[in-house]
Order: sequence, then structure tokens, then C-alpha cells
Amino acid sequence: DADVTQTPRNRITKTGKRIMLECSQTKGHDRMYWYRQDPGLGLRLIYYSFDVKDINKGEISDGYSVSRQAQAKFSLSLESAIPNQTALYFCATSDPDRVLDGELFFGEGSRLTVL
Amino acid sequence: AQSVTQLDSHVSVSEGTPVLLRCNYSSSYSPSLFWYVQHPNKGLQLLLKYTSAATLVKGINGFEAEFKKSETSFHLTKPSAHMSDAAEYFCVVSRDNYGQNFVFGPGTRLSVLP
Repeated sequence: DADVTQTPRNRITKTGKRIMLECSQTKGHDRMYWYRQDPGLGLRLIYYSFDVKDINKGEISDGYSVSRQAQAKFSLSLESAIPNQTALYFCATSDPDRVLDGELFFGEGSRLTVL
Repeated sequence: AQSVTQLDSHVSVSEGTPVLLRCNYSSSYSPSLFWYVQHPNKGLQLLLKYTSAATLVKGINGFEAEFKKSETSFHLTKPSAHMSDAAEYFCVVSRDNYGQNFVFGPGTRLSVLP
């Protein structure tokens, strides 16, 4: 089983709908991240969380919200989806005790299409 | 401010020939640099990292990269391409090793021809 699991893997929705993407991890890491990938733009950080009570905005947080329900769970919500939120979304974790490694551990991605 | 340029959006090589994926960065700090690989329908995986130790860094699957401060480059190489190397490769710069400070390049898609 994957250490970082994202659901759903694929979702097609309509403009104005509320969407939630979920991420759960079994790595025991405190730090979790949500990224968005667009072709030719690489990955951009939406939100990150260092623990259940610590949530921070990233580079492109407008139009998104997050919830850290537990150490192992970090959800991303689009309150009212719009077509330019069509993208591939990744959840990632990192281990604060191994920060010098600089390694992120990624889920397999959630592809969202907003019509 | 930091930024990353990956000079080729797509590189195509024949199996058994060398691979060169180019990365140039801009940073006002002494940066940490990373290469990540994304295989189709998979998440990203760390290939290798430079964090101010040796300038020639060896990673997994035979890849290596050389940090050249004078050229602000961190090019990824492999002597002999394998079909399984076909993937998207991302160069990443950071002023430290914290994930929230990573700046990803746009990616280079590597195709390996039989």
C-alpha cells in the first residue's frame, strides 16, 4: 500500500460545485503539503501544515481551503470550483526530524477537471 | 527570490545513449538543489540533492548532477539511458531544505527510444 494516499484519483465536476480532495499518510510525518501541477509550470504550493493546529497559505491559496483532521489526514477543498482550477493535485509529506534530507514524499495525484 | 529554468521541455534519446537534462537557477541565497522524477501516473520521487557538500552528487538509478556555482547550473546526467528512465524530471531550488520553500522548475519530459 502507498504511504501517501489520495482520493479520488480522478474527478470531473461542474463549475460552482464544491469539491474535496483527501490525503492520508502512514509515514507518521507531521508536515503535509498540497501542490498543484499545471503543464509547463511545475508544481506550486497551495497550503501546508506542520501539525493539526498549524496551517499556512502557500503561493496560490486563493479559491482553496484545507482541513487537517488528524496528523495523518489533510484535505483540500474547492468551495466553488472554476475551470482554471483544472489541474493535477499532489499531496506530500516530510519528516521534520530529517529536514536536512529535504525530501518530500508524494501521493500519486488527483486529477481534477472542472467543466 | 528564487527561480528555476529547465532549458528543454522535452528531450528524446535512444536507449543506451547519454542523458543530459539542463537546469539553471537563480537564488539570492546559497541554495539547496534537488532533482525529482515523476513516472506516468505516479507521484514525484527524489532522485538526488545538493546541500553544500560535494558538488558532484550521485543519485538513484545511475543519475548524477554537478553543482556549478559560477554557471548557476545543476544539470542532470546519466551515462546510458534505459527505457525505464522515460519520465518527467523536475529541478527544484530552495533557500533551505524546508518543503514549503521549494521552487519547482517547469519540468523536462524524457523520452527513451528503443
